[in-house]
Amino acid sequence: DIQMTQSPSSLSASVGDRVTITCRASQGISKYLAWFQQKPGNAPKSLIYGASSLESGVPSKFSGSGSGTDFTLTISSLQPEDVATYYCQQYNSYPLTFGGGTKVEIK
Amino acid sequence: QLQLQESGPGLVRPSETLSLTCTVSGASISSTSYSWAWIRQPPGKGLEWVGTISYSGSTSYNPPLNSRVTMSVDTSENQFSLKLSSLTAADTAVFYCARLRHDFRNYVTIDSWGQGTLVTVSS
Repeated sequence: DIQMTQSPSSLSASVGDRVTITCRASQGISKYLAWFQQKPGNAPKSLIYGASSLESGVPSKFSGSGSGTDFTLTISSLQPEDVATYYCQQYNSYPLTFGGGTKVEIK
Repeated sequence: QLQLQESGPGLVRPSETLSLTCTVSGASISSTSYSWAWIRQPPGKGLEWVGTISYSGSTSYNPPLNSRVTMSVDTSENQFSLKLSSLTAADTAVFYCARLRHDFRNYVTIDSWGQGTLVTVSS
């Protein structure tokens, strides 16, 4: 199985800050990586696929990059509505696996 | 607009079998462009893929659950279902159904989620 490791597990930043979350795969997954946002009490929402492509309707303040084993999710200007836990997930091979999540809070 | 709605019991007894159904509206479950999945999340914990089923009924299950999971598709009702047997307290979780979109190389990415349903395993 491919293990997905996210860092940090949590972060606190000020409104307007640029926030970066890292996801590392235990083996190469090309660009078969997705990012999800889960707000408290809600279902996850798909943000990014193919490491860097935004799902329809996702604001451009979210961006993704990387390939192989190292990936990042960036929020260009953190807003209160971005408070959530963010998960990465690889779909290069079965079983599909998720990172442990990064909880983003406002300082 | 696509909607996925989970349904099933909120409380199941240990050793019994859980049955959940996901009703899909706004899209055909028979479309060759999509597969369908179950994903679960224990309270306060992360996401775990349970299994995937294609429009044709072919399945892939998470190996630790493989002996206890069965997924099926009912194209006439535009639904897909999950059965998870021999339940223990460790199976207590929110269960989400989801749609997986195929790309041109047939890799699948989750593009839509149901709202989730909490299943508690307790006597």
